[in-house]
Amino acid sequence: RKEVEQDPGPFNVPEGATVAFNCTYSNSASQSFFWYRQDCRKEPKLLMSVYSSGNEDGRFTAQLNRASQYISLLIRDSKLSDSATYLCVVNIPTDSWGKLQFGAGTQVVVTP
Amino acid sequence: NAGVTQTPKFRVLKTGQSMTLLCAQDMNHEYMYWYRQDPGMGLRLIHYSVGEGTTAKGEVPDGYNVSRLKKQNFLLGLESAAPSQTSVYFCASSYSGGSSYNSPLHFGNGTRLTVT
Repeated sequence: RKEVEQDPGPFNVPEGATVAFNCTYSNSASQSFFWYRQDCRKEPKLLMSVYSSGNEDGRFTAQLNRASQYISLLIRDSKLSDSATYLCVVNIPTDSWGKLQFGAGTQVVVTP
Repeated sequence: NAGVTQTPKFRVLKTGQSMTLLCAQDMNHEYMYWYRQDPGMGLRLIHYSVGEGTTAKGEVPDGYNVSRLKKQNFLLGLESAAPSQTSVYFCASSYSGGSSYNSPLHFGNGTRLTVT
């Protein structure tokens, strides 16, 4: 089983609609969770950290479900500019250092 | 306001050639990383450094070497390039990276390497 798994999509979303997708992780000791956004052929950029209580940043809402070991991202009122690949990132604690494990990404395509 | 800068942006190598990718950050971050990204596989960690003078192997270190002689620079070397090393390489840095908590990564723009 992969340490971090994502549905690759694509999720085709009409402009103005809501889209949500999950990311599952295998290590129950993971403590840090992030969503990154990556545009085609560009570097990943931090979208938001994911906190235990869930958090919102404008149209974006991130949730953490420790019991089922997944995080989610919900995008409300989708804009054309939201078209991108969304990368789930989870820290995997080790005995000396915690590495950040990336999912392969979920592609979102917002259509007019 | 540079953040993380990678050079070069593009490079084409012949099999067996060598090259060095340079990464520089101006945020005084302790941790630096080299990743490669291949289609459908996500980012994979090649090597990382937890401070000046230190380096460690990541997930896919074979065929690569690194050095961190100065805190702000992290070099990735390919001694004898192979077609399997055709990829997009990203450098990143972060403020901290303890065993149970990592701060977010800041990425460079990437280097597109083709080995023929």
